[in-house]
Amino acid sequence: GEDVEQSLFLSVREGDSSVINCTYTDSSSTYLYWYKQEPGAGLQLLTYIFSNMDMKQDQRLTVLLNKKDKHLSLRIADTQTGDSAIYFCASSEGNYQLIWGAGTKLIIKP
Amino acid sequence: DTGVSQDPRHKITKRGQNVTFRCDPISEHNRLYWYRQTLGQGPEFLTYFQNEAQLEKSRLLSDRFSAERPKGSFSTLEIQRTEQGDSAMYLCASSRSGRPQETQYFGPGTRLLVL
Repeated sequence: GEDVEQSLFLSVREGDSSVINCTYTDSSSTYLYWYKQEPGAGLQLLTYIFSNMDMKQDQRLTVLLNKKDKHLSLRIADTQTGDSAIYFCASSEGNYQLIWGAGTKLIIKP
Repeated sequence: DTGVSQDPRHKITKRGQNVTFRCDPISEHNRLYWYRQTLGQGPEFLTYFQNEAQLEKSRLLSDRFSAERPKGSFSTLEIQRTEQGDSAMYLCASSRSGRPQETQYFGPGTRLLVL
């Protein structure tokens, strides 16, 4: 079946940029999402990108999409302690079905 | 926009008991979804409703699980005869169909522990 893969952990120093990567297999993916989950909480939608876009920027967040390689990344500039969370990548063909990665835990070092 | 709410936030129960969770979606959203999430995993789809109609059920949803959305607004998820393997976070999400994309907004989840 279709799959989304992410690294399980990423450790960065406070103030540095974080880059979280994701690869997906479904070539029909139309929308790609990034969700953030803090400990014990639900999933917060951070941003999404449409497959005909290469890049989307929203304040400290930059999403890059390489459709040829089916690679998605989320860059968080000036990483803060409040960015500590698990970040999930998900793909969709535009309907209700979301295919989820297992999440990347972002660890911030002081 | 008050967001998706879920109740209770935490539930501890003994094996064999029945539990019921409630989800209130964003008011103008006609689609409602239930997911289950275990530690270290992404959400697993369980079922979804469009208005009051239950349109899709995952194979994960055994006959001990039932979901309803009687008036097309809030939804309940009931688990009968709970087992320890049912321990997980149960997430609810909602969306509005007919938009360019089906962006789902999640509630805070109900964490279930079956002893």
